Amino acid sequence: DIQMTQSPSSLSASVGDRVTITCRASQGISKYLAWFQQKPGKAPKSLIYDTSISQSGVPSKFSGSGSGTDFTLTISSLQPEDFATYYCQQYYTYPITFGQGTRLEIK
Amino acid sequence: EVQLVESGGDLVQPGGSLRLSCAASGFTFNRHWMSWVRQAPGKGLEWVANIVQGGGEKYYVDSVKGRFTISRDNAKNSLFLQMSSLRVEDTAVYFCARGMCTSTNCYAAGLDVWGQGTVVTVSS
Repeated sequence: DIQMTQSPSSLSASVGDRVTITCRASQGISKYLAWFQQKPGKAPKSLIYDTSISQSGVPSKFSGSGSGTDFTLTISSLQPEDFATYYCQQYYTYPITFGQGTRLEIK
Repeated sequence: EVQLVESGGDLVQPGGSLRLSCAASGFTFNRHWMSWVRQAPGKGLEWVANIVQGGGEKYYVDSVKGRFTISRDNAKNSLFLQMSSLRVEDTAVYFCARGMCTSTNCYAAGLDVWGQGTVVTVSS
């Protein structure tokens, strides 16, 4: 199975900050990476697929990049509604696997 | 409105069985791959299974192979997860999710619509 490792596991930031979350795959996954946002008690929300393509309606403040084994999610100009847990997911091969999550907290 | 609504979660004893359902509305159900994803209490997301549009291809995470069966009824816009030989470690919120479609293609991944989840508790 492909292991997805996110860093950091948790992150404190202030409103207005720009943050970057990293996701590393245990083997190459080409471009087949997605990012999700989840708030407590809610279903995940899809942000990005194929590494860098934003889902419809997702603000441009969310951007993804990378290829192969190393990927990043960048969130610019943090707002209160952005504080949540973020997950990466590879779908290059089965089983589909998620990272362990990055909890983004308000400083 | 595009919507997925799960049901069927319950408290069940180890070794028991349960059938989860996911009712889809607001979109052409038979165009989309469908998935089940679960989340144990306080833990991260775990993909469980998915199924192709016509039901002929199914994939599972190893930990549920031989115990869980994913299926769908396109005439009723419904997705199912039959769970048997349940274990304490299957305790989780189970979400159904839709594989995305662009104007030209539909994909197993890119889970763009999610239900609110249904709670499965396996305990004696």
